[in-house]
Amino acid sequence: IAGITQAPTSQILAAGRRMTLRCTQDMRHNAMYWYRQDLGLGLRLIHYSNTAGTTGKGEVPDGYSVSRANTDDFPLTLASAVPSQTSVYFCASSEGPEGNQPQHFGDGTRLSIL
Amino acid sequence: GQNIDQPTEMTATEGAIVQINCTYQTSGFNGLFWYQQHAGEAPTFLSYNVLDGLEEKGRFSSFLSRSKGYSYLLLKELQMKDSASYLCAVRDSNYQLIWGAGTKLIIKP
Repeated sequence: IAGITQAPTSQILAAGRRMTLRCTQDMRHNAMYWYRQDLGLGLRLIHYSNTAGTTGKGEVPDGYSVSRANTDDFPLTLASAVPSQTSVYFCASSEGPEGNQPQHFGDGTRLSIL
Repeated sequence: GQNIDQPTEMTATEGAIVQINCTYQTSGFNGLFWYQQHAGEAPTFLSYNVLDGLEEKGRFSSFLSRSKGYSYLLLKELQMKDSASYLCAVRDSNYQLIWGAGTKLIIKP
């Protein structure tokens, strides 16, 4: 079944550790996104990529980095995790940033930083 | 700043109709999306509006008024499985989605 796969499903991490959240899509979508979702807040964009080889900063990029070496993969790295990065992280993709095509979401990664 | 407002929680009865409102103030407008999110799951796409008026899709309809910065999602013939959060998102001038915090809809038998 075509879609977006995120790994791991959940993780408990010690503060100061490095962590990479993986995201892979098989829909050949050009655009990919990373969001965090916290209780009482809307989804907040961390980083995005409109096409392979390019990335951009969203609303809350500090402490996170991304890369887009190919169309399918869009990993998110926390260089040195802090407790405020405890959240649910969603990866999403769309055919492009414009038009009526919606963003499709992965199942999320629940990350706890202790 | 950019802002999307939705009620935090609503309660409705199975079989009834409910309207979830969304007001927005964003830098530019390039479409409005509604998503459904069941607890512990990913958001899933429901509807898209870019022109004023009503878009109907089965039991769900979505309305947009760009001049008022206003949209609503109308759910008819409510079923227990409709218990979920409903997220409103506006695509701004940079073609990024700005999301509301979501409306938790509780359906009672």
